Amino acid sequence: DTAVSQTPKYLVTQMGNDKSIKCEQNLGHDTMYWYKQDSKKFLKIMFSYNNKELIINETVPNRFSPKSPDKAHLNLHINSLELGDSAVYFCASSQGRTSGYGQYFGPGTRLTVL
Amino acid sequence: GDSVTQMEGPVTLSEEAFLTINCTYTATGYPSLFWYVQYPGEGLQLLLKATKADDKGSNKGFEATYRKETTSFHLEKGSVQVSDSAVYFCALGDYSGNTPLVFGKGTRLSVIA
Repeated sequence: DTAVSQTPKYLVTQMGNDKSIKCEQNLGHDTMYWYKQDSKKFLKIMFSYNNKELIINETVPNRFSPKSPDKAHLNLHINSLELGDSAVYFCASSQGRTSGYGQYFGPGTRLTVL
Repeated sequence: GDSVTQMEGPVTLSEEAFLTINCTYTATGYPSLFWYVQYPGEGLQLLLKATKADDKGSNKGFEATYRKETTSFHLEKGSVQVSDSAVYFCALGDYSGNTPLVFGKGTRLSVIA
């Protein structure tokens, strides 16, 4: 049983397109996150939702819009894709709003913008 | 703000060598500390954690001790295997507010037979 799952695993698309990445967790956690990992493996927090409420919204272009239909799902929609959006995007979840208890990560979605 | 500094890689070791990856942190409160491992093409997996000073986290032969006096959480393993080749991330978690994990930049380990 996969605790945190993401789809798709790979996404190749053209500049200017709009795409979505989906994330689901079956751990019963109430907080979910999106991270971006660049080519140098640096991880950057993008967003966090707690019980469908946006609680962390880092400096991210407004082309990126997260949506949480329920506390087990957090999707990421990206408009007008740019070359610089190419990266691996990780979803994560945790119990509670704080990071003191750690987070569980999905397998990642490798986005390539051509 | 909180921050994590870990040694830059890559680190290349022969099989059965001793591994140390240094990690130091800066935090205003009393954080939890974590080591995550990312195998090639995979997501991050929690390797071990420590939630208070002097705690030792351990898993799969890896160990790290939360040292408040030196603000460190160094990762060690006595005898590495080829299968340990991965990127290792030190991370800091906070119990206050809406806080994400703070990650170090990662250290790539390559173990050769």
